[in-house]
Amino acid sequence: QSVLTQPPSASGTPGQTVTISCSGSSSNIGSNALNWYQQFPGTAPKLVIYNDARRPSGVPDRFSGSKSGTSASLAISGLRSEDEADYYCAAWDDIVSGPVFGGGTKLTVL
Amino acid sequence: QVHLVESGGGVVRPGGSLRLSCAASGFTFSDYYMSWIRQAPGKGLEWVGYISKSSASKSYADSVKGRFTLSRDNADNSLYLQMDNLSVADTAIYYCTRGSGPPDYWGQGTLVAVSS
Repeated sequence: QSVLTQPPSASGTPGQTVTISCSGSSSNIGSNALNWYQQFPGTAPKLVIYNDARRPSGVPDRFSGSKSGTSASLAISGLRSEDEADYYCAAWDDIVSGPVFGGGTKLTVL
Repeated sequence: QVHLVESGGGVVRPGGSLRLSCAASGFTFSDYYMSWIRQAPGKGLEWVGYISKSSASKSYADSVKGRFTLSRDNADNSLYLQMDNLSVADTAIYYCTRGSGPPDYWGQGTLVAVSS
């Protein structure tokens, strides 16, 4: 049972915009910065969004993040086949005193 | 370029011990908290614990508290995870990560399999 809640799956066709949600509480998303990670099978997660909405160098601007209250979203526009991966949200939790993660969303590009 | 390389994973019996290592390069290791995060096969990500820059402060997830111990050697740019009294539930890929919160960099991971 993950502390942050994500839909288990999402899908879209090439060129579409897909949004993945992440829901938490006042002790995590509501009071701390949120990161998003992309993970391909057999590889380590890679940071794609940090501090709610900032993109690391090298991440395409097709990836964008937003946050409101205790919920956050990752949007991927101009969907491409290479975006097919698992996506995880994560934030510091003041009660756990450590980072907490969403259960992950498997994105399928149809 | 930040590089984190884990080693030490393997197969161990329930109740056994294992020590994981992480070699860091490409940044000033002593300037950063470091953490371990694990991922059970086919499952999500779980924070294991973090250690402060000077090793003065350590924090662990409840699931590993009292069984796992974090340490580091700043002179050698190395992070360690001593895992004792392992159970089947500890089977996972263990990632070395930079920072105490949601990390910015991850190693490639090392697999720990606990099986009788």
